[in-house]
Amino acid sequence: GQQLNQSPQSMFIQEGEDVSMNCTSSSIFNTWLWYKQDPGEGPVLLIALYKAGELTSNGRLTAQFGITRKDSFLNISASIPSDVGIYFCAGQLDSGGSNYKLTFGKGTLLTVNP
Amino acid sequence: ETGVTQSPTHLIKTRGQQVTLRCSSQSGHNTVSWYQQALGQGPQFIFQYYREEENGRGNFPPRFSGLQFPNYSSELNVNALELDDSALYLCASSLAWGYEQFFGPGTRLTVL
Repeated sequence: GQQLNQSPQSMFIQEGEDVSMNCTSSSIFNTWLWYKQDPGEGPVLLIALYKAGELTSNGRLTAQFGITRKDSFLNISASIPSDVGIYFCAGQLDSGGSNYKLTFGKGTLLTVNP
Repeated sequence: ETGVTQSPTHLIKTRGQQVTLRCSSQSGHNTVSWYQQALGQGPQFIFQYYREEENGRGNFPPRFSGLQFPNYSSELNVNALELDDSALYLCASSLAWGYEQFFGPGTRLTVL
């Protein structure tokens, strides 16, 4: 099945550093979402973006909806050990009756060294 | 407010068997979606149910089927299990189709 291109695949950083990850698609999406998944758990919604160019923050997390509607970025500032996990981007289309499903990236594995 | 719950947590089956996984949606949500997540991959959409009707389906064979009940809980049934069906099966509920989806903890299925 289709998956979005998410990079980097993994990151190993020191506590306190900032993190950036991004997601690109060959298709346009009308909604971009970012999830975090801990081992053995389901994905937890972090941020949802609904408009091209939109910049949204949730605490230390900031995400942007690309103006082409084909990409999105997630930044984490001042990382802490509990930020460890896998971060997934997901796109949702809102036309042609296909706005029921999410298309996911392969994930970015984040490791934070205390 | 109770979140999305799934049962069982883990399941081991043998090839050719059938399995039923269950999901209870978050309070107030009438839409349930099912995803398959293979190891090291992002979740892949299987299908969605909205008010007891299938609202969309991904690229999965007919041996993957589902149901949604009047209380909006849902089942995923997989017949004739294959080794490649081993995965984490995730259920997500939303206020209605097109709205943000909230995931349960998943059911880990192992097919031997």
